[in-house]
Amino acid sequence: KAGVTQTPRYLIKTRGQQVTLSCSPISGHRSVSWYQQTPGQGLQFLFEYFSETQRNKGNFPGRFSGRQFSNSRSEMNVSTLELGDSALYLCASSLSSTGGQAYGYTFGSGTRLTVV
Amino acid sequence: GQNIDQPTEMTATEGAIVQINCTYQTSGFNGLFWYQQHAGEAPTFLSYNVLDGLEEKGRFSSFLSRSKGYSYLLLKELQMKDSASYLCAVGSGNQGGKLIFGQGTELSVKP
Repeated sequence: KAGVTQTPRYLIKTRGQQVTLSCSPISGHRSVSWYQQTPGQGLQFLFEYFSETQRNKGNFPGRFSGRQFSNSRSEMNVSTLELGDSALYLCASSLSSTGGQAYGYTFGSGTRLTVV
Repeated sequence: GQNIDQPTEMTATEGAIVQINCTYQTSGFNGLFWYQQHAGEAPTFLSYNVLDGLEEKGRFSSFLSRSKGYSYLLLKELQMKDSASYLCAVGSGNQGGKLIFGQGTELSVKP
């Protein structure tokens, strides 16, 4: 079966611009979460959506936002990009309605965002 | 606060056994996950513990002690392909949907 699909794979943006990243979860998975991965900070939780509702939120500024559609696909948006936003953005989906539990979360390959 | 600690790097020999430790202090707990991540690739799910004790899956085992805030991942019969970063993560938040990750342990397997 198809895995978690993230598009685009690579992006280069200029400071001050905004960007939208897309994530298509595994079919049937209703929980979608987003993470930022950098060499210095590791994997940091951004937010999680379940049935189109934001269920959990991390400690990122309001410039980072997301949404989930009725087909469970999710997007995240970063406005007013800063150099420090350069990172790998990972999306993960889960079958379980109560978090990843024994099924775990399946991660996509990520979008590599470079802000110049 | 949220704090998950694991060693930064470890080196082991092919065919040997290695144990990667993880200690955590989090405001909520809804299970502990281990992930493997090869360079340039997505993390892949290895194991999940929510009750105390040992879970075994082939060459990989994971242990949890909730009272001590401690877990370990045990890798047996190490192979070169096991060289990767191993991430410990605690499920927290609403319905456990928020994973708090440690910084990862970079494991190098030498011939």
